Amino acid sequence: KAGVTQTPRYLIKTRGQQVTLSCSPISGHRSVSWYQQTPGQGLQFLFEYFSETQRNKGNFPGRFSGRQFSNSRSEMNVSTLELGDSALYLCASSASSGRAWEQYFGPGTRLTVT
Amino acid sequence: GEDVEQSLFLSVREGDSSVINCTYTDSSSTYLYWYKQEPGAGLQLLTYIFSNMDMKQDQRLTVLLNKKDKHLSLRIADTQTGDSAIYFCAESWNSGYALNFGKGTSLLVTP
Repeated sequence: KAGVTQTPRYLIKTRGQQVTLSCSPISGHRSVSWYQQTPGQGLQFLFEYFSETQRNKGNFPGRFSGRQFSNSRSEMNVSTLELGDSALYLCASSASSGRAWEQYFGPGTRLTVT
Repeated sequence: GEDVEQSLFLSVREGDSSVINCTYTDSSSTYLYWYKQEPGAGLQLLTYIFSNMDMKQDQRLTVLLNKKDKHLSLRIADTQTGDSAIYFCAESWNSGYALNFGKGTSLLVTP
């Protein structure tokens, strides 16, 4: 099975712009979670989607949003970018049954805000 | 959430055992995980343990869980230079699909 894929891998944006990141989960997985990784704050949970519904949400401002499509692919959007949004954004997928607790991560999208 | 605590750095010689420790926060966490991250890469799921277990062994990896002290450890036997990476401990929370990570332990294996 192919792993979790994320596009693009690298992105450079300017303050005030918005950005959309994409995540394709492992085939058959219906849960997708997003995390932000920075040197200062480490790995922080953003949100989790299951069957096109946001099921869990972390403590991030409303500028961070996401959605999930019927094929389980997910996108996250960050509006009005700030310098502090520079980070590695990771998504993870897990199955809806069976070994649902196993979360598999993609390679991440490295976002740089200048 | 509250902080999952890990020591920041560990250095071992090739062939020795490595032990990475973690203190987690939520006694109701159902699953506890260890992930590995190599430079420029995402997170690789190494192993996990259910909260009702004390120990889990998986080839060179041994996970020990002390629920009373909320202490988790990862032992890597016969550590190799390819094991050099950052190791993250994580606890599940809020129905299990959100993970609360520690800051990571950087393992350096020297020849």
